[in-house]
Amino acid sequence: RKEVEQDPGPFNVPEGATVAFNCTYSNSASQSFFWYRQDCRKEPKLLMSVYSSGNEDGRFTAQLNRASQYISLLIRDSKLSDSATYLCVVMTTDSWGKLQFGAGTQVVVTP
Amino acid sequence: NAGVTQTPKFRILKIGQSMTLQCTQDMNHNYMYWYRQDPGMGLKLIYYSVGAGITDKGEVPNGYNVSRSTTEDFPLRLELAAPSQTSVYFCASSRPGASGRGDTQYFGPGTRLTVL
Repeated sequence: RKEVEQDPGPFNVPEGATVAFNCTYSNSASQSFFWYRQDCRKEPKLLMSVYSSGNEDGRFTAQLNRASQYISLLIRDSKLSDSATYLCVVMTTDSWGKLQFGAGTQVVVTP
Repeated sequence: NAGVTQTPKFRILKIGQSMTLQCTQDMNHNYMYWYRQDPGMGLKLIYYSVGAGITDKGEVPNGYNVSRSTTEDFPLRLELAAPSQTSVYFCASSRPGASGRGDTQYFGPGTRLTVL
């Protein structure tokens, strides 16, 4: 079983719509959670950290559900520039600074 | 700041050849990492380093070697290249966060390697 699992998509979203997707993790010792964004053939870049109480950054909202071991990302008012692959990333307490990456969820925003 | 730089951007190797992928960061980060990313897969950690002179294996270290003689540089060596090493290689760096663990990781632009 993969440590971090994501629906690969693609999620096809009309411009201006809302899209949400989840990521599940298997290690209950996981402590830190992140969403990274990766554009086609480019390097991953941090989109946002995910906090226990949930957090928002502009049009992006991240939630953490420790009981069910998943995190979610919601994008409101989607822009064409939001088209990318979103990587779910998890750090466990026993992996000092090392991250576990999901394979990514592809989002395609259409005009 | 240039951030994390990697060279070369692209390379084609023949089976059995060797090469070194270069990685340099100018952010004075202690932690550095090498990942590989295969199509449709998540990034896999090859090696990492928590400071000059200290390296350790990640998830997929076989066929690779690293060294960390300075804070800035973290080269990855491929010996006896195999087709299974065809991948995109990313170098990353981070500083210790408030928890003492790695903070946000900053990635280089990647090296696309094909072994034929």
